[in-house]
Amino acid sequence: DGGITQSPKYLFRKEGQNVTLSCEQNLNHDAMYWYRQDPGQGLRLIYYSQIVNDFQKGDIAEGYSVSREKKESFPLTVTSAQKNPTAFYLCASSLGAGVGAQPQHFGDGTRLSIL
Amino acid sequence: AQSVTQLGSHVSVSEGALVLLRCNYSSSVPPYLFWYVQYPNQGLQLLLKYTSAATLVKGINGFEAEFKKSETSFHLTKPSAHMSDAAEYFCAVSGGGATNKLIFGTGTLLAVQP
Repeated sequence: DGGITQSPKYLFRKEGQNVTLSCEQNLNHDAMYWYRQDPGQGLRLIYYSQIVNDFQKGDIAEGYSVSREKKESFPLTVTSAQKNPTAFYLCASSLGAGVGAQPQHFGDGTRLSIL
Repeated sequence: AQSVTQLGSHVSVSEGALVLLRCNYSSSVPPYLFWYVQYPNQGLQLLLKYTSAATLVKGINGFEAEFKKSETSFHLTKPSAHMSDAAEYFCAVSGGGATNKLIFGTGTLLAVQP
């Protein structure tokens, strides 16, 4: 079945440690997105990528980094510079932009907590 | 600039009652509008989308939404609530264009009482 796989489901980070969240899709989508979800705040865009080897900052990119070396993969690194990383992280993908708005398809998320 | 406002962070209905979840949007371009549902510890699932083809949009699980330009609204309804409808619902807006970015509302948590 086509879809988006996020791993791990739960992740724990120590102070000062970088962690990487995995996101893989087999939908052949060009665009991929990372969101952060906090209670009562909805989803906020961290980074997005419209094509391989290209990505742009979203609304809350500070303390995060991404790469897009393959069409299928868009890993997110939460760096030690992110002072409040505890949240639920969601990865999404969609068909390429510019052809009307395309719905985004979501993975099941990774819950990151600080030890 | 675009934005979405969802009125009511918590809504409670009885099983079998009408579900009405409110969404108002602001957009400087003709909007594309979406409703998503999220069950606990899961990702978001698309319920329905408005892309200007018809103002009344039917989605999955018996939900529908009506686009009202004069009221800048896109409220979600279901005639008869089921226990399995208990979840969090998000309205989102996009202007389409070069980035396909979605702007989400803060969500409405729907509780269904037996």
